[in-house]
Amino acid sequence: RKEVEQDPGPFNVPEGATVAFNCTYSNSASQSFFWYRQDCRKEPKLLMSVYSSGNEDGRFTAQLNRASQYISLLIRDSKLSDSATYLCVVNGPDTGNQFYFGTGTSLTVIP
Amino acid sequence: DAGITQSPRHKVTETGTPVTLRCHQTENHRYMYWYRQDPGHGLRLIHYSYGVKDTDKGEVSDGYSVSRSKTEDFLLTLESATSSQTSVYFCAISVFSDTQYFGPGTRLTVL
Repeated sequence: RKEVEQDPGPFNVPEGATVAFNCTYSNSASQSFFWYRQDCRKEPKLLMSVYSSGNEDGRFTAQLNRASQYISLLIRDSKLSDSATYLCVVNGPDTGNQFYFGTGTSLTVIP
Repeated sequence: DAGITQSPRHKVTETGTPVTLRCHQTENHRYMYWYRQDPGHGLRLIHYSYGVKDTDKGEVSDGYSVSRSKTEDFLLTLESATSSQTSVYFCAISVFSDTQYFGPGTRLTVL
Protein backbone atom coordinates (compact mmCIF):
# COMPACT_ATOMS: atom_id res chain seq x y z
CA ARG A 1 0.00 0.00 0.00
CA LYS A 2 1.31 3.42 -0.89
CA GLU A 3 2.07 5.80 1.95
CA VAL A 4 0.18 8.61 0.25
CA GLU A 5 -2.53 8.33 -2.38
CA GLN A 6 -4.09 10.97 -4.55
CA ASP A 7 -6.57 11.01 -7.38
CA PRO A 8 -4.39 11.85 -10.40
CA GLY A 9 -7.21 13.65 -12.19
CA PRO A 10 -7.02 15.45 -14.49
CA PHE A 11 -9.34 18.08 -13.17
CA ASN A 12 -10.41 20.53 -15.87
CA VAL A 13 -12.35 23.46 -14.43
CA PRO A 14 -13.48 26.84 -15.77
CA GLU A 15 -12.04 30.06 -14.43
CA GLY A 16 -13.75 31.12 -11.25
CA ALA A 17 -14.72 27.61 -10.24
CA THR A 18 -14.06 26.02 -6.87
CA VAL A 19 -12.14 22.76 -6.93
CA ALA A 20 -11.15 20.38 -4.14
CA PHE A 21 -8.48 17.70 -3.95
CA ASN A 22 -8.20 14.96 -1.38
CA CYS A 23 -5.27 12.87 -0.32
CA THR A 24 -5.13 9.87 2.01
CA TYR A 25 -2.16 8.69 4.03
CA SER A 26 -1.49 5.33 5.61
CA ASN A 27 0.69 6.09 8.65
CA SER A 28 -1.51 7.19 11.53
CA ALA A 29 1.56 8.51 13.37
CA SER A 30 2.32 11.06 10.64
CA GLN A 31 2.72 14.53 12.08
CA SER A 32 3.43 16.93 9.25
CA PHE A 33 1.40 17.50 6.14
CA PHE A 34 1.89 19.71 3.14
CA TRP A 35 0.60 20.65 -0.27
CA TYR A 36 3.15 21.38 -2.96
CA ARG A 37 2.59 22.77 -6.41
CA GLN A 38 4.58 21.60 -9.41
CA ASP A 39 4.54 23.29 -12.78
CA CYS A 40 5.46 21.35 -15.89
CA ARG A 41 9.17 20.48 -15.98
CA LYS A 42 9.85 22.46 -12.81
CA GLU A 43 10.65 21.58 -9.22
CA PRO A 44 7.91 21.19 -6.60
CA LYS A 45 7.30 24.30 -4.54
CA LEU A 46 5.66 24.53 -1.17
CA LEU A 47 2.09 25.79 -1.44
CA MET A 48 1.08 25.46 2.18
CA SER A 49 1.49 23.41 5.31
CA VAL A 50 -1.60 21.73 6.70
CA TYR A 51 -2.38 22.21 10.36
CA SER A 52 -4.77 20.26 12.57
CA SER A 53 -7.05 23.26 12.90
CA GLY A 54 -7.09 23.85 9.16
CA ASN A 55 -5.55 26.87 7.53
CA GLU A 56 -6.27 29.34 4.80
CA ASP A 57 -4.06 31.37 2.52
CA GLY A 58 -6.02 33.65 0.24
CA ARG A 59 -8.02 31.46 -2.12
CA PHE A 60 -6.49 28.26 -0.79
CA THR A 61 -7.78 26.30 2.19
CA ALA A 62 -6.17 23.15 3.57
CA GLN A 63 -7.75 20.80 6.07
CA LEU A 64 -6.61 17.73 7.96
CA ASN A 65 -8.83 14.89 9.13
CA ARG A 66 -6.74 12.68 11.39
CA ALA A 67 -9.55 10.24 12.17
CA SER A 68 -9.99 9.40 8.49
CA GLN A 69 -6.34 10.04 7.62
CA TYR A 70 -6.87 12.44 4.78
CA ILE A 71 -5.98 15.98 3.92
CA SER A 72 -7.73 18.25 1.48
CA LEU A 73 -7.00 21.34 -0.56
CA LEU A 74 -9.73 23.70 -1.67
CA ILE A 75 -9.09 26.31 -4.34
CA ARG A 76 -11.71 29.03 -4.71
CA ASP A 77 -12.15 31.37 -7.68
CA SER A 78 -9.71 29.39 -9.83
CA LYS A 79 -7.28 31.34 -11.99
CA LEU A 80 -5.56 30.26 -15.18
CA SER A 81 -2.31 30.49 -13.23
CA ASP A 82 -3.51 27.78 -10.85
CA SER A 83 -3.02 25.20 -13.60
CA ALA A 84 -0.38 22.83 -12.25
CA THR A 85 0.05 19.49 -10.51
CA TYR A 86 -0.65 19.51 -6.78
CA LEU A 87 1.32 17.11 -4.62
CA CYS A 88 0.29 15.87 -1.22
CA VAL A 89 3.24 15.29 1.13
CA VAL A 90 3.36 13.57 4.50
CA ASN A 91 6.09 13.28 7.10
CA GLY A 92 6.07 11.81 10.57
CA PRO A 93 8.12 10.56 13.50
CA ASP A 94 7.95 6.92 12.46
CA THR A 95 9.45 7.69 9.09
CA GLY A 96 12.63 9.20 10.43
CA ASN A 97 12.98 12.40 8.50
CA GLN A 98 11.60 10.98 5.32
CA PHE A 99 8.85 12.60 3.33
CA TYR A 100 6.32 10.69 1.28
CA PHE A 101 4.79 12.19 -1.82
CA GLY A 102 1.57 11.44 -3.61
CA THR A 103 1.73 11.08 -7.37
CA GLY A 104 0.00 14.41 -7.77
CA THR A 105 -3.31 15.72 -9.02
CA SER A 106 -3.33 17.57 -12.31
CA LEU A 107 -5.41 20.74 -12.54
CA THR A 108 -6.13 22.69 -15.69
CA VAL A 109 -8.13 25.90 -15.42
CA ILE A 110 -9.89 26.70 -18.67
CA PRO A 111 -10.68 30.23 -19.87
CA ASP B 1 14.89 31.02 -2.33
CA ALA B 2 16.57 28.19 -0.41
CA GLY B 3 19.82 28.54 -2.34
CA ILE B 4 19.91 25.06 -3.86
CA THR B 5 21.66 24.35 -7.12
CA GLN B 6 22.06 21.13 -9.04
CA SER B 7 24.62 20.20 -11.66
CA PRO B 8 24.50 19.22 -14.37
CA ARG B 9 20.98 20.29 -15.31
CA HIS B 10 20.86 17.92 -18.25
CA LYS B 11 22.91 14.86 -19.05
CA VAL B 12 22.83 12.15 -21.69
CA THR B 13 25.00 9.14 -21.05
CA GLU B 14 25.38 5.55 -22.15
CA THR B 15 24.51 2.38 -20.31
CA GLY B 16 27.30 1.20 -18.06
CA THR B 17 28.98 4.54 -17.53
CA PRO B 18 29.32 6.13 -14.09
CA VAL B 19 27.43 9.34 -13.44
CA THR B 20 27.65 11.77 -10.56
CA LEU B 21 25.08 14.44 -9.85
CA ARG B 22 25.83 17.28 -7.49
CA CYS B 23 23.57 19.18 -5.14
CA HIS B 24 24.85 22.34 -3.50
CA GLN B 25 23.19 24.44 -0.82
CA THR B 26 24.29 27.78 0.53
CA GLU B 27 22.56 27.81 3.92
CA ASN B 28 24.09 24.88 5.89
CA HIS B 29 20.87 22.97 6.39
CA ARG B 30 21.39 19.62 8.06
CA TYR B 31 19.07 17.43 5.99
CA MET B 32 19.53 16.86 2.28
CA TYR B 33 17.68 14.45 -0.01
CA TRP B 34 17.84 12.92 -3.45
CA TYR B 35 14.61 11.98 -5.23
CA ARG B 36 13.75 10.69 -8.64
CA GLN B 37 10.51 11.54 -10.38
CA ASP B 38 8.93 9.31 -12.98
CA PRO B 39 5.48 9.36 -14.57
CA GLY B 40 2.98 7.40 -12.50
CA HIS B 41 5.29 7.17 -9.50
CA GLY B 42 5.65 10.68 -8.25
CA LEU B 43 8.70 11.59 -6.23
CA ARG B 44 10.54 8.68 -4.68
CA LEU B 45 13.33 8.99 -2.16
CA ILE B 46 16.68 7.54 -3.19
CA HIS B 47 18.95 8.51 -0.29
CA TYR B 48 19.05 11.20 2.31
CA SER B 49 21.63 12.72 4.63
CA TYR B 50 21.27 14.04 8.15
CA GLY B 51 24.79 15.41 8.47
CA VAL B 52 28.31 15.20 7.11
CA LYS B 53 29.09 11.54 6.40
CA ASP B 54 25.67 10.53 7.76
CA THR B 55 23.41 9.05 5.11
CA ASP B 56 20.60 6.55 4.87
CA LYS B 57 18.73 4.69 2.17
CA GLY B 58 15.37 5.60 0.84
CA GLU B 59 12.72 3.70 -1.02
CA VAL B 60 14.63 3.22 -4.30
CA SER B 61 18.32 3.14 -3.34
CA ASP B 62 19.45 0.14 -5.41
CA GLY B 63 22.01 1.18 -8.00
CA TYR B 64 22.75 4.50 -6.31
CA SER B 65 25.29 5.68 -3.78
CA VAL B 66 25.72 9.03 -2.09
CA SER B 67 28.39 10.99 -0.30
CA ARG B 68 28.40 14.07 1.86
CA SER B 69 31.87 15.23 2.83
CA LYS B 70 30.80 18.85 3.37
CA THR B 71 27.58 20.28 4.75
CA GLU B 72 26.87 22.16 1.55
CA ASP B 73 27.36 19.32 -0.97
CA PHE B 74 25.44 16.07 -1.45
CA LEU B 75 26.55 13.87 -4.33
CA LEU B 76 24.52 11.14 -5.99
CA THR B 77 26.44 8.51 -7.98
CA LEU B 78 25.14 5.96 -10.41
CA GLU B 79 28.03 3.50 -10.48
CA SER B 80 26.94 1.91 -13.76
CA ALA B 81 24.01 3.68 -15.32
CA THR B 82 21.11 1.67 -16.72
CA SER B 83 18.21 2.76 -18.92
CA SER B 84 15.84 2.32 -15.96
CA GLN B 85 17.66 5.19 -14.27
CA THR B 86 16.52 7.63 -16.94
CA SER B 87 14.58 10.10 -14.86
CA VAL B 88 14.41 13.57 -13.43
CA TYR B 89 16.45 13.85 -10.25
CA PHE B 90 15.63 16.42 -7.60
CA CYS B 91 17.70 17.40 -4.64
CA ALA B 92 15.98 18.87 -1.59
CA ILE B 93 16.90 20.34 1.75
CA SER B 94 14.82 20.27 4.87
CA VAL B 95 14.36 23.31 7.00
CA PHE B 96 13.94 22.69 10.73
CA SER B 97 13.48 18.95 9.98
CA ASP B 98 10.19 19.88 8.41
CA THR B 99 9.40 21.71 5.20
CA GLN B 100 11.40 20.74 2.13
CA TYR B 101 12.72 22.97 -0.61
CA PHE B 102 13.84 21.62 -3.93
CA GLY B 103 16.57 22.30 -6.40
CA PRO B 104 15.75 22.85 -10.09
CA GLY B 105 16.31 19.21 -11.05
CA THR B 106 18.60 17.23 -13.34
CA ARG B 107 17.23 15.49 -16.41
CA LEU B 108 19.23 12.32 -16.97
CA THR B 109 18.89 10.16 -20.05
CA VAL B 110 20.66 6.81 -20.18
CA LEU B 111 20.85 5.41 -23.71
